[in-house]
Amino acid sequence: NAGVTQTPKFQVLKTGQSMTLQCAQDMNHEYMSWYRQDPGMGLRLIHYSVGAGITDQGEVPNGYNVSRSTTEDFPLRLLSAAPSQTSVYFCASSSRGPGANVLTFGAGSRLTVL
Amino acid sequence: GQQVMQIPQYQHVQEGEDFTTYCNSSTTLSNIQWYKQRPGGHPVFLIQLVKSGEVKKQKRLTFQFGEAKKNSSLHITATQTTDVGTYFCGGSNYKLTFGKGTLLTVNP
Repeated sequence: NAGVTQTPKFQVLKTGQSMTLQCAQDMNHEYMSWYRQDPGMGLRLIHYSVGAGITDQGEVPNGYNVSRSTTEDFPLRLLSAAPSQTSVYFCASSSRGPGANVLTFGAGSRLTVL
Repeated sequence: GQQVMQIPQYQHVQEGEDFTTYCNSSTTLSNIQWYKQRPGGHPVFLIQLVKSGEVKKQKRLTFQFGEAKKNSSLHITATQTTDVGTYFCGGSNYKLTFGKGTLLTVNP
């Protein structure tokens, strides 16, 4: 049972490039979410989904897109990367949600935008 | 919107000393969750508190949920070097909002 799998673990982009952070869970969780973590800022919610076909914005959604075509996958897209998006990104899922049940986090993806 | 404040931001202790981190919400919460993140790692769930005034213990860790369900604390008795990491509280009222965390370092 892999839990929540994030790829890639590390990525360096140039300003203006696009990329997708992948997140997959094998626990049949309905709720999935993306957080970014910056020094001194804690975990801030970017986007979340309560089920396939349903997504919503979190606290810091600008510059990011998401989609949820299957229960298992919840990719995060950066359409035109900016240095301000340099951060560690965590995907998390739960069996009920968003707040009722506990979150299982992936190992994280460290993104640097030059 | 809902805000969750956590203090202190940093705490350095000698091994064997006690440690406490506090979490305060601007709104009444349906539940509060605590997570631990080791350096270079990802947040890992510790516990969830649901009831007003609830107290739960996990070995040397004691978690409390306030009577008004707006504040919570995590207390570690006799810290060990394995306790090093950042402790986050997450307050839930439909959305889970995290505090900024308390980084605990332990001097052996």
